[in-house]
Amino acid sequence: DIQMTQSPSTLSASVGDRVTITCRASQSISSWLAWYQQKPGKAPKLLIYKASSLESGVPSRFSGSGSGTEFTLTISSLQPDDFATYYCQQYNSFPRTFGQGTKVEIK
Amino acid sequence: EVQLVESGGGLVQPGGSLRLSCAASGFTFSSYWMSWVRQAPGKGLEWVANIKQDGSEKYYVDSVKGRFTISRDNAKNSLYLQMTCLRAEDTAVYYCASGGNTPFDYWGQGTLVTVSS
Repeated sequence: DIQMTQSPSTLSASVGDRVTITCRASQSISSWLAWYQQKPGKAPKLLIYKASSLESGVPSRFSGSGSGTEFTLTISSLQPDDFATYYCQQYNSFPRTFGQGTKVEIK
Repeated sequence: EVQLVESGGGLVQPGGSLRLSCAASGFTFSSYWMSWVRQAPGKGLEWVANIKQDGSEKYYVDSVKGRFTISRDNAKNSLYLQMTCLRAEDTAVYYCASGGNTPFDYWGQGTLVTVSS
């Protein structure tokens, strides 16, 4: 199974900050990586697919990069609506696996 | 508007069974892989199972193989998860999601399954 490891687990930031979350795969997944945002009590929402493609309707302050085993999600200027938990997920092989999540908190 | 509405969750004793349903609307259900993803209380996301458009391929996480069965009825735009031999560790919110061979692009609101005596 491919293990996905996110860092950090928790991130404290202020509105307007540039935020970067890292996701590492235990083996190469090419660009078959997605990022999701989840708010408390809500279903996850797809933000980025194929490592760097922005899902329709997602603000352009979100961006993704990477390939192989190292990936990043960047929020260029953190907004109040962005405080949430973020998950990466690989869809290169079965079983599909998620990172453990990164909680973005208000500083 | 795409909608996925899960139902069938509840409290069940260890060793018991439950059948979850997901009603889909707003998209061509028969054209999409579909999946179940779960989230234990206070924990992260875990993919459970997915099924190809015509039901000819099904995949499961190891922890549910032999106990859970995913199925679909394209005529009814519905996805199902039959769960048997339930364990305490199966306690979670179960989400229906479109995709599985691709990212999970649409999600339902989830249904809570609690396995407890």
